[in-house]
Amino acid sequence: EADIYQTPRYLVIGTGKKITLECSQTMGHDKMYWYQQDPGMELHLIHYSYGVNSTEKGDLSSESTVSRIRTEHFPLTLESARPSHTSQYLCASSVAVGWGGELFFGEGSRLTVL
Amino acid sequence: SQQGEEDPQALSIQEGENATMNCSYKTSINNLQWYRQNSGRGLVHLILIRSNEREKHSGRLRVTLDTSKKSSSLLITASRAADTASYFCATVNNNDMRFGAGTRLTVKP
Repeated sequence: EADIYQTPRYLVIGTGKKITLECSQTMGHDKMYWYQQDPGMELHLIHYSYGVNSTEKGDLSSESTVSRIRTEHFPLTLESARPSHTSQYLCASSVAVGWGGELFFGEGSRLTVL
Repeated sequence: SQQGEEDPQALSIQEGENATMNCSYKTSINNLQWYRQNSGRGLVHLILIRSNEREKHSGRLRVTLDTSKKSSSLLITASRAADTASYFCATVNNNDMRFGAGTRLTVKP
């Protein structure tokens, strides 16, 4: 089992609310990622980080923001949630500096915006 | 946009049978990885095969890679009901890692 944790696992909120999805890993990995996945579909990279104070946007345009103040923590924030944000959000980390290594995933946060 | 495309999209077999899933991709790669995802959970890394390798084994898993055809296959031998999950290939090319849409495998007891 990977030592990467996401909270909450499930969240149902109303439109316009601000939410933060938490992701923490205890493996000391520098690189961390956020993916968005609709049921039965591929994963889309929305944010990643090479290390502390590094944040980059991924392939899929997202209205979310991320921060990386500590190595182990990579939270994702939506300032004003909309129904189009309903999805599963997966956090991952890797030890590799580049893009070649194995990713360790959390269990996911399933967000429903009403 | 996805790089790897898995085939078939869904596969249903009986326990004890072998399951074969395929992944095709378009550009050159450094390595290709296979992941498993149980329903509603995160992905778990299964195996990584480098571009200069042709075959790798891990327990009941056998992965092949044909860079000339830009394709890979994942074989699960003697399947079990617990193997029911979605299986994703991920291609890595320099600073780019892309996941396919996955194959949904159902193993009936």
